Amino acid sequence: KAGVTQTPRYLIKTRGQQVTLSCSPISGHRSVSWYQQTPGQGLQFLFEYFSETQRNKGNFPGRFSGRQFSNSRSEMNVSTLELGDSALYLCASSPTSLLDTQYFGPGTRLTVL
Amino acid sequence: KQEVTQIPAALSVPEGENLVLNCSFTDSAIYNLQWFRQDPGKGLTSLLLIQSSQREQTSGRLNASLDKSSGRSTLYIAASQPGDSATYLCAVAHNTDKLIFGTGTRLQVFP
Repeated sequence: KAGVTQTPRYLIKTRGQQVTLSCSPISGHRSVSWYQQTPGQGLQFLFEYFSETQRNKGNFPGRFSGRQFSNSRSEMNVSTLELGDSALYLCASSPTSLLDTQYFGPGTRLTVL
Repeated sequence: KQEVTQIPAALSVPEGENLVLNCSFTDSAIYNLQWFRQDPGKGLTSLLLIQSSQREQTSGRLNASLDKSSGRSTLYIAASQPGDSATYLCAVAHNTDKLIFGTGTRLQVFP
């Protein structure tokens, strides 16, 4: 089976812009979760989607949003980018929930200038 | 609030040594605990998942133990190799609604 894929792998944006990141889960996996990784805060949970519905959400502002499509592919959007949004954004998929083994993609490195 | 800590933050050892990485969590009410490795600039690879009812899990040279009552898990790496060099992260499923990751241990194994 193909692994979790994320596009693009690298992005450079300026403050105030918005960005959309994409994640394709492993075939058959219905749970997709997103994480932000920074040197200062480590890995932090953003949200989880299951069957096109946001099931869980971490403590991030409303500028961070996402959605999931009927084929389980997911997108994450960040609006009004701030310098502090520079991070590695990781998505993970699993068959049904956060209690399953999580399979991570390679990540999207976002740099905000 | 669940907090997950990993000690040591960094470790450098010669090839062949047996290693123990530690993961501590403050609330013992967990569903499971996972260990991951992360290579520089890349995603995470799942190593082992221990359910709350289990005491340990083994995969090849890796053995992870879980002591819920004391809020601890250890990852034992036998006969370390340079290819084991990576950052190792533990993650706790405290509720069903999120994973809480530890701070990580950066491991370097030199020939």
